[in-house]
Amino acid sequence: RKEVEQDPGPFNVPEGATVAFNCTYSNSASQSFFWYRQDCRKEPKLLMSVYSSGNEDGRFTAQLNRASQYISLLIRDSKLSDSATYLCVVSSRGAGSYQLTFGKGTKLSVIP
Amino acid sequence: SQTIHQWPATLVQPVGSPLSLECTVEGTSNPNLYWYRQAAGRGLQLLFYSVGIGQISSEVPQNLSASRPQDRQFILSSKKLLLSDSGFYLCAWDYRGNTEAFFGQGTRLTVV
Repeated sequence: RKEVEQDPGPFNVPEGATVAFNCTYSNSASQSFFWYRQDCRKEPKLLMSVYSSGNEDGRFTAQLNRASQYISLLIRDSKLSDSATYLCVVSSRGAGSYQLTFGKGTKLSVIP
Repeated sequence: SQTIHQWPATLVQPVGSPLSLECTVEGTSNPNLYWYRQAAGRGLQLLFYSVGIGQISSEVPQNLSASRPQDRQFILSSKKLLLSDSGFYLCAWDYRGNTEAFFGQGTRLTVV
């Protein structure tokens, strides 16, 4: 089983739609979780951290389910500018320190 | 504040030539450092990570190597480039996996 797994997409949705991405992780001892956004030909940038109780930032909601080892990202009222690749990131213990592991990303295209 | 510098931004190299990409971090000490590669239209592939000076872990066997001669300096090298080494190379740092990762702006390498 891959350490961090995401549906690669692409997800093609109309403006205004609600879209959800899921991500599963294999290491039950993972500590921290993040969603990153990567625009075409650019470096990834943090979108939001994912907290145990779930958290919301405007149109974006992140959820963590430790029992099932998955993380989700919900985008409401999609905008054209939301088109990007969304990366799930998990922090796990290894080699005496915590390291971040990235999923392959889910591509989102918001269509006019 | 912390910053990460990666250079050059773009590089075109002939097959068989050597490679040296440099990454430096400012404003923090003892970070985890990472080298990723992203082929066109693909996800991030972790190449190397380092938890301290002289400590390098390799994730994927290949003709690339990495070194960390100083706490905040991470170098990616190759003695002889292959066509398959083309891609978008990203350096990143985090503080022991408990924080978000910060990426450099990347180096777009084309091997011809």
